[in-house]
Amino acid sequence: DVKVTQSSRYLVKRTGEKVFLECVQDMDHENMFWYRQDPGLGLRLIYFSYDVKMKEKGDIPEGYSVSREKKERFSLILESASTNQTSMYLCASSQKWVPVAGNTIYFGEGSWLTVV
Amino acid sequence: QKEVEQDPGPLSVPEGAIVSLNCTYSNSAFQYFMWYRQYSRKGPELLMYTYSSGNKEDGRFTAQVDKSSKYISLFIRDSQPSDSATYLCAMRSTNAGKSTFGDGTTLTVKP
Repeated sequence: DVKVTQSSRYLVKRTGEKVFLECVQDMDHENMFWYRQDPGLGLRLIYFSYDVKMKEKGDIPEGYSVSREKKERFSLILESASTNQTSMYLCASSQKWVPVAGNTIYFGEGSWLTVV
Repeated sequence: QKEVEQDPGPLSVPEGAIVSLNCTYSNSAFQYFMWYRQYSRKGPELLMYTYSSGNKEDGRFTAQVDKSSKYISLFIRDSQPSDSATYLCAMRSTNAGKSTFGDGTTLTVKP
């Protein structure tokens, strides 16, 4: 089974702190994603990466950065956390496009971040 | 306007009911259509996926895609309390690296 592991399930951080959210996948997937999920706003893509050291902005990249130094690991960084970044953060991974399989996305369990 | 619109819900049905969950989309390039189920405080998990138009059945679940109308549905037969969750539709085009998600419909099945 594909496993996407997010190291922290629940975090409480102070405004202005630097926050790292770590994600590791064990299926050698090329693509990795960071989403945030908020009530009424659904899943919004922050950043994604299709290869080591490669990254692309998603729909809401402001206030975030990412790092992908190894294929299996994708980190989300909040340089200076703010209260409006309180949310559930979901990491996901998928293979490069595979026509038959449809290249489905596998999600981690989520990281609940509260910024006070 | 969003590329993917999902019936917002919430939806509450009695056990044993047939449930219909629906999404519409505007991007005609979408070829892959997925349904994810998300239990409270958990990450989404893939329930079903279909390619292009047609139906796909898996146990009590049927996914239906009508590309001419840009409309997809997920039907749940004989719904169970364990089906209570948020259901997310997602779709992507053939060469896209990312999927576009609906906002989700929360379903409660009452015993």
